[in-house]
Amino acid sequence: DVVMTQSPLSLPVTLGQPASISCRSSQSLVYSDGNTYLNWFQQRPGQSPRRLIYKVSNRDSGVPDRFSGSGSGTDFTLKISRVEAEDVGVYYCMQGTHWPWTFGQGTKVEIK
Amino acid sequence: EVQLVESGGGLVQPGGSLRLSCAASGFTFSSYAMHWVRQAPGKGLEYVSAISSNGGSTYYANSVKGRFTISRDNSKNTLYLQMGSLRAEDMAVYYCARADGYSHDYWGQGTLVTVSS
Repeated sequence: DVVMTQSPLSLPVTLGQPASISCRSSQSLVYSDGNTYLNWFQQRPGQSPRRLIYKVSNRDSGVPDRFSGSGSGTDFTLKISRVEAEDVGVYYCMQGTHWPWTFGQGTKVEIK
Repeated sequence: EVQLVESGGGLVQPGGSLRLSCAASGFTFSSYAMHWVRQAPGKGLEYVSAISSNGGSTYYANSVKGRFTISRDNSKNTLYLQMGSLRAEDMAVYYCARADGYSHDYWGQGTLVTVSS
């Protein structure tokens, strides 16, 4: 199975400051169709996961533009340009290129 | 509006069985693969099982293979997970999620399965 490794696992941030989460895969996530199926999910406390980003950099409907995704191959990043209080929660990367799909361990974002 | 509503969770003894259901609405259920993902208390997300849109193909994580069975009834817009020989390590919130090809675009609210004597 493809191993997804996130860092850091805990990220204290100051309101209004940027935040960045790294996700690395044990194999390239480029699929045979040329797409890279790397996704980011947000899980707020007590809620279900919610997809933020699909195929590396595409924001889902309703996702604020302060969230952005980038990367290629095996290295990916989720950035929050200015952290707001509602961004507190755990963020997971997930690959959908190789079966079975696999998740990263999660990065807990909290306010300093 | 896409909705996924899980039910069937509860307290079960080790070795027992439970059937989870996920009622879908707001989309053409028969056009989508569906997945079960679980989250143990305080832990991350773990893939459990998947089923193709017509039910012809299924997948199980090694941790549940031979004990869990995924199925669906497209006439009822419902996804199921039959769980047997339950262990303490199966205790988790179980989410059903719609697969839009290579990701999960919608998730249910989850149902809690507690395995304890």
